Amino acid sequence: DAKTTQPTSMDCAEGRAANLPCNHSTISGNEYVYWYRQIHSQGPQYIIHGLKNNETNEMASLIITEDRKSSTLILPHATLRDTAVYYCIVRRLIRGNKLVFGAGTILRVKS
Amino acid sequence: KAGVTQTPRYLIKTRGQQVTLSCSPISGHRSVSWYQQTPGQGLQFLFEYFSETQRNKGNFPGRFSGRQFSNSRSEMNVSTLELGDSALYLCASSPGGPVGDTQYFGPGTRLTVL
Repeated sequence: DAKTTQPTSMDCAEGRAANLPCNHSTISGNEYVYWYRQIHSQGPQYIIHGLKNNETNEMASLIITEDRKSSTLILPHATLRDTAVYYCIVRRLIRGNKLVFGAGTILRVKS
Repeated sequence: KAGVTQTPRYLIKTRGQQVTLSCSPISGHRSVSWYQQTPGQGLQFLFEYFSETQRNKGNFPGRFSGRQFSNSRSEMNVSTLELGDSALYLCASSPGGPVGDTQYFGPGTRLTVL
């Protein structure tokens, strides 16, 4: 699975949009981009995933560049409860489940 | 639907003992994966079970084992515990079709080895 690069940490003001970037320049055509987040000492929470089109759900939006080498997770109105580690994962949907987690981005939402 | 449940939530053991952790997947999910999370190594994949068979395995010693029952519930066992086994053990379930799909995680079991 392709490797991802994320900033170590980011700050965001409460109520503003949080834009978390992820670089995956070696992504293959059949690899999906997944986002999870982990609030301190809890299990990771699935947020969203996509292949090449932009995706939106009740939690966030995922914007994937046309060349698919990078993506951005957008939390439209960040709250203090969105403070967490955000993981960008690239994976093929092949037989067998395995997620390879990097270090992720620590997002701090401040009032 | 109820989420993934893990028991116990906290556990303290001493070196040399063994431990069994339990995971109940989301109803209807047939795949269960286990992960270990430590401050030094981060989140690492242990193994995945589907239809009572281990389908994928990470790079962990044989002291780490697991199994899955016919109702898709899964257990993992760690024998001869070492201090370095102190970690948050996470279980994730997914519907488990022929190809990989979205995994949903439980709250984890915090294991402390003294």
